[in-house]
Amino acid sequence: GQNIDQPTEMTATEGAIVQINCTYQTSGFNGLFWYQQHAGEAPTFLSYNVLDGLEEKGRFSSFLSRSKGYSYLLLKELQMKDSASYLCAVRGDSNYQLIWGAGTKLIIKP
Amino acid sequence: GAGVSQSPSNKVTEKGKDVELRCDPISGHTALYWYRQSLGQGLEFLIYFQGNSAPDKSGLPSDRFSAERTGGSVSTLTIQRTQQEDSAVYLCASSLARIYEQYFGPGTRLTVT
Repeated sequence: GQNIDQPTEMTATEGAIVQINCTYQTSGFNGLFWYQQHAGEAPTFLSYNVLDGLEEKGRFSSFLSRSKGYSYLLLKELQMKDSASYLCAVRGDSNYQLIWGAGTKLIIKP
Repeated sequence: GAGVSQSPSNKVTEKGKDVELRCDPISGHTALYWYRQSLGQGLEFLIYFQGNSAPDKSGLPSDRFSAERTGGSVSTLTIQRTQQEDSAVYLCASSLARIYEQYFGPGTRLTVT
């Protein structure tokens, strides 16, 4: 079957760095997405990786290793507003259907 | 420009009633998706529309669920004879084309009593 694994919850301190991991097992691979979802709100797009390596976008970076079925989202200089759930999603064999992880709830403490 | 909009934002209905949920995608986006999200869970794919092609209905959980997209724009998700297990947030998303990132609407929170 197809599976996306993420930690359920993580806690980090304001100003620090946190890494949220995502491992996947899918039939085929055509890209990996990270979304941020604040409580009670819709997910918003953060990043997209289709080739191995690191994609940097301001305070957020996303890494992909296709051979290991592994990605991480790195958040630097954490702010209180970064408290949210972070969803990992993989496009497998389908060109449009995404397989979604359950999300990682990130709690930022002062 | 305007983002994806959904209505109503909240819907409380009695078990057995029918409900209609509406989605207005971003103008020019040809791909439209419906998802369901239960509390603390990931997104469950329901249905996908792409242009004038036949929709992918493979995620619809039962024949009580149906959806249509008129004129390649507005979409309506209909749930007939609602059950308590249908209670969830129903999210609509659109994308410029099928391979691009999806933009989500604010969702409709459905509660079946």
